[in-house]
Amino acid sequence: GDSVTQMEGPVTLSEEAFLTINCTYTATGYPSLFWYVQYPGEGLQLLLKATKADDKGSNKGFEATYRKETTSFHLEKGSVQVSDSAVYFCALNTGNQFYFGTGTSLTVIP
Amino acid sequence: EAQVTQNPRYLITVTGKKLTVTCSQNMNHEYMSWYRQDPGLGLRQIYYSMNVEVTDKGDVPEGYKVSRKEKRNFPLILESPSPNQTSLYFCASSSHRGSENSPLHFGNGTRLTVT
Repeated sequence: GDSVTQMEGPVTLSEEAFLTINCTYTATGYPSLFWYVQYPGEGLQLLLKATKADDKGSNKGFEATYRKETTSFHLEKGSVQVSDSAVYFCALNTGNQFYFGTGTSLTVIP
Repeated sequence: EAQVTQNPRYLITVTGKKLTVTCSQNMNHEYMSWYRQDPGLGLRQIYYSMNVEVTDKGDVPEGYKVSRKEKRNFPLILESPSPNQTSLYFCASSSHRGSENSPLHFGNGTRLTVT
């Protein structure tokens, strides 16, 4: 069945460090891919999305490229800030259902 | 303001006592769904609805019921809660019948404890 596997955390980085959170997926057909972010005590918010192969989603300095050949959608940011501390979820949608990874907790220290 | 509203935010109950968690969205979305979030397991889908009077099971539907009598509301019902249903629950909605291009909008969650 369809599924998402993402890098386990927690991840701790210093401010201005480079961030990569790995995400790979298994899906039939041509899913849309998403990254969501969850701040403490809140629901998930859409961070970025890509709907077809080679699309690059970007928002707030975060980027992820839909790689069909490697079935991956890795999240990157060149210089993280303390305010980026949150839990990040990779997800895919194949029409009727959404599938989420287990989440990666990121802590950025000053 | 476009939003998904869940109530209550926190709920403590005892085994076997029926409860309902409400969910309402003001975006005229066709698609609504319920998830539970557990440590190490991420979000798992309980039920979803493509439109009024249309509901389907997700990956973990056992012990839950839903109804979709109106487009804006999608309550989650636990008729006989058990301790293994202690979790953080999220309602979400999207437009275009959950099509591939429509991201989910989430409520702020309901933390349920069953003793």
